Amino acid sequence: QSVLTQPPSVSGAPGQRVIISCTGSSSNIGAGHNVHWYQQLPGTAPKLVIYDNNSRPSGVPDRFSGSRSGTSASLAISGLQDEDEAYYYCQSYDSSLSVFGGGTKLTV
Amino acid sequence: QVHLVESGGGVVQPGTSLRLSCAASGFPFSLYAMHWVRQAPGKGLEWVAVITHDGSEKHYADSAKGRLIVSRDNTQKILYLQMDSLRVEDTAAYFCARESGGYTFGRNAFDMWGQGTMVSVSS
Repeated sequence: QSVLTQPPSVSGAPGQRVIISCTGSSSNIGAGHNVHWYQQLPGTAPKLVIYDNNSRPSGVPDRFSGSRSGTSASLAISGLQDEDEAYYYCQSYDSSLSVFGGGTKLTV
Repeated sequence: QVHLVESGGGVVQPGTSLRLSCAASGFPFSLYAMHWVRQAPGKGLEWVAVITHDGSEKHYADSAKGRLIVSRDNTQKILYLQMDSLRVEDTAAYFCARESGGYTFGRNAFDMWGQGTMVSVSS
């Protein structure tokens, strides 16, 4: 069982908007630790798409956005494209140790 | 070009040892905390260990304590993971990752990842 809880799968049609949730607890997200999001395509390394809850690294489309509230966070992807189909993982910290969500498969 | 390149994976028997390496280039390696993250076949990401920029602190996931040891050589710009008493459940792709921000650890995103090296533990 992962420390952070994500839905196993979400889906959406091209052009639609989807939201992936990440639920933690008072010792990680609720303690004020930032949440980061990664995209992983099959057979490749994870790629950072959102850092510090709602910031995008250079090169990540503004279709990707994030938010954090209380003990949860979410990743929103609008204007879905076929290339967005991938696994997405949230990550935070718990007493300075990193923790990941179990991952969510996005099907477009 | 900024790069992390892992090596050292392979097929080994339970109870044996293996040392993974992660060679860094294109950035000031000695300024960054570095992490190991693993992914079992068909499973999600699992954080394994972190070492501070100067090697003064090391922290491990419960699954790694006592058997996996992280170290670094800032002169050679290499991160290591010594894996002892390997178990079947250690079978995974092992990624090294840089924690962004520099100097600090335990708060920032992993902004750079290696391509991973596969470890298979089987009798």
